[in-house]
Amino acid sequence: DADVTQTPRNRITKTGKRIMLECSQTKGHDRMYWYRQDPGLGLRLIYYSFDVKDINKGEISDGYSVSRQAQAKFSLSLESAIPNQTALYFCATSDSGTSGLNEQFFGPGTRLTVL
Amino acid sequence: QKEVEQDPGPLSVPEGAIVSLNCTYSNSAFQYFMWYRQYSRKGPELLMYTYSSGNKEDGRFTAQVDKSSKYISLFIRDSQPSDSATYLCAMSGGNDMRFGAGTRLTVKP
Repeated sequence: DADVTQTPRNRITKTGKRIMLECSQTKGHDRMYWYRQDPGLGLRLIYYSFDVKDINKGEISDGYSVSRQAQAKFSLSLESAIPNQTALYFCATSDSGTSGLNEQFFGPGTRLTVL
Repeated sequence: QKEVEQDPGPLSVPEGAIVSLNCTYSNSAFQYFMWYRQYSRKGPELLMYTYSSGNKEDGRFTAQVDKSSKYISLFIRDSQPSDSATYLCAMSGGNDMRFGAGTRLTVKP
């Protein structure tokens, strides 16, 4: 079984709709992240959480919100989707015990299309 | 200027070629320098990392870091079709981590 799972894997929606992307992990890691990946721009951090009570904005948080329901679950919401949020979204986890390396373990991604 | 610059390619080479992938960065606080490999329709996975300056070799892969020039490289010797993927450089220092745009590599048989 995959250590980091994301649902759904693909989603097509319309402008203005509310969308939630979910992430679960069985690695026992305390840190979780949401990234979006766009061609030519690479991975950009949306939000990150270092534990259940800790939520931080990344470099591109506008238009997104998150919820850390448990150590193993971290969801990303688009309150009112717009076409430029069309992208590949990745959830990742890391273990704070790895110090500065901060190796991240990624889920398989969610391909979101906003029409 | 982006904190991490990486040519997105694409890069196409024949099987057996030596591949050189590079990134530049601007933040002097970065201490860990990583290369992630991402296959199509998959999430990135850590390939190898280097702490501070110097070289590190792992089989056909060699990572180099030159902190004085803020330049990192990944070399792939005897490239194989199975090496076809997107390679992302990444750097971290403290709780800050940045990824490059990724270079798409195709190794043709």
